[in-house]
Amino acid sequence: QVQLQESGPGLVKPSETLSLTCTVSGGSINIYCWSWIRQPPGKGLEWIGYVCYSGSSSYNSSLKSRVTISVDTSKNQFSLKLNSVTAADTAVYYCARLTTATAGFDSWGQGTLVTVSS
Amino acid sequence: DIQMTQSPSSLSASVGDRVTISCRASQYISNYLNWYQQKPGKAPKLLIHAASNLQSGVPSRFSGSGSGTDFTLTINSLQPEDFATYFCQQSHSLYTFGRGTELQIK
Repeated sequence: QVQLQESGPGLVKPSETLSLTCTVSGGSINIYCWSWIRQPPGKGLEWIGYVCYSGSSSYNSSLKSRVTISVDTSKNQFSLKLNSVTAADTAVYYCARLTTATAGFDSWGQGTLVTVSS
Repeated sequence: DIQMTQSPSSLSASVGDRVTISCRASQYISNYLNWYQQKPGKAPKLLIHAASNLQSGVPSRFSGSGSGTDFTLTINSLQPEDFATYFCQQSHSLYTFGRGTELQIK
């Protein structure tokens, strides 16, 4: 059974870049697409974007100018970079698997809280 | 972008009750609608995909219906472990989630 685990700094300063990595175990990243989703404290879920093993990607239009998601198949990892962060980017960040473009997110990491504060 | 509207935002029920949660899309999404359950401090769990298909391992008391713009999640005979927050999510045009329905114990 595939498992996902987020890692990265829990505190980022305003205007800097948030960087997170998701490590996939129990399965190859060379199948399917892989996504980042976030949830501000006490609020709902927001899809950030996805990258497929082929390298193709797609992003939420509201974040597109600040987001890059990339995949490293040699390490079975994919990564999120969100630049020019503000307090509004404080959230629990989840990585998740997307088996087809129209399917649901069927496997999730446990989530990691990232706080934007000076 | 497609907006997803869930109702109610919160709901109180008792063990053994049958509850329904509604989700409406701002435009036609066929059956590209998924439902998730989230418990406090945990990641969401996919319950139903493509509007009515139960994810493997999910109890049969959960069911989904609808197509087009209007969808429903039904939970029959509520169990204590079902008290959680439920989200709908469309996958017709990229991905957006509803704001969630918190199911509380009465």
